[in-house]
Amino acid sequence: SQTIHQWPATLVQPVGSPLSLECTVEGTSNPNLYWYRQAAGRGLQLLFYSVGIGQISSEVPQNLSASRPQDRQFILSSKKLLLSDSGFYLCACQREEIGELFFGEGSRLTVL
Amino acid sequence: KNEVEQSPQNLTAQEGEFITINCSYSVGISALHWLQQHPGGGIVSLFMLSSGKKKHGRLIATINIQEKHSSLHITASHPRDSAVYICAVGNQFYFGTGTSLTVIP
Repeated sequence: SQTIHQWPATLVQPVGSPLSLECTVEGTSNPNLYWYRQAAGRGLQLLFYSVGIGQISSEVPQNLSASRPQDRQFILSSKKLLLSDSGFYLCACQREEIGELFFGEGSRLTVL
Repeated sequence: KNEVEQSPQNLTAQEGEFITINCSYSVGISALHWLQQHPGGGIVSLFMLSSGKKKHGRLIATINIQEKHSSLHITASHPRDSAVYICAVGNQFYFGTGTSLTVIP
């Protein structure tokens, strides 16, 4: 079965500092991978999705970026964090032929 | 207009009650997902369905593709069912804002 690992689980960063959130997937190959953000009291917002290595699509213009250096690794980055980047970030995985969504445990980011 | 609308936004029920959460969507879809988010933030997939009805334990999900509507039912609700229930549709997923359910003992 598939499992998704996300880290770090919690982090507090100052404005202007860099960010790197990592997500790795086990138990499947060539998955579709997603980064979502959930701001306090809001629904899930799609940030990036990837259908393969090096293939990244962005849904929302922002100061975040994503990379997929390996088939089962998805990284969310920022060079300079903004206060508005605070939120709960979730990585998700989908095996195209099955379609069920699996989520990582989430990373809670607070930018001060 | 949001692509996915859920109702109610908040729901409080007594233990044992039958619960219904509704989801309406405006986009064409191949499948609809029901997700459960616990207070700690973790999200679990409950159902993925493209037609008819699915049942898992005390949970039942139905979908009407023609009417673009789905319902999630919980029978004999229990305090451990307290969570946010989220409907999601589409290829890269449009999400409803969720229904916050609290089941009181």
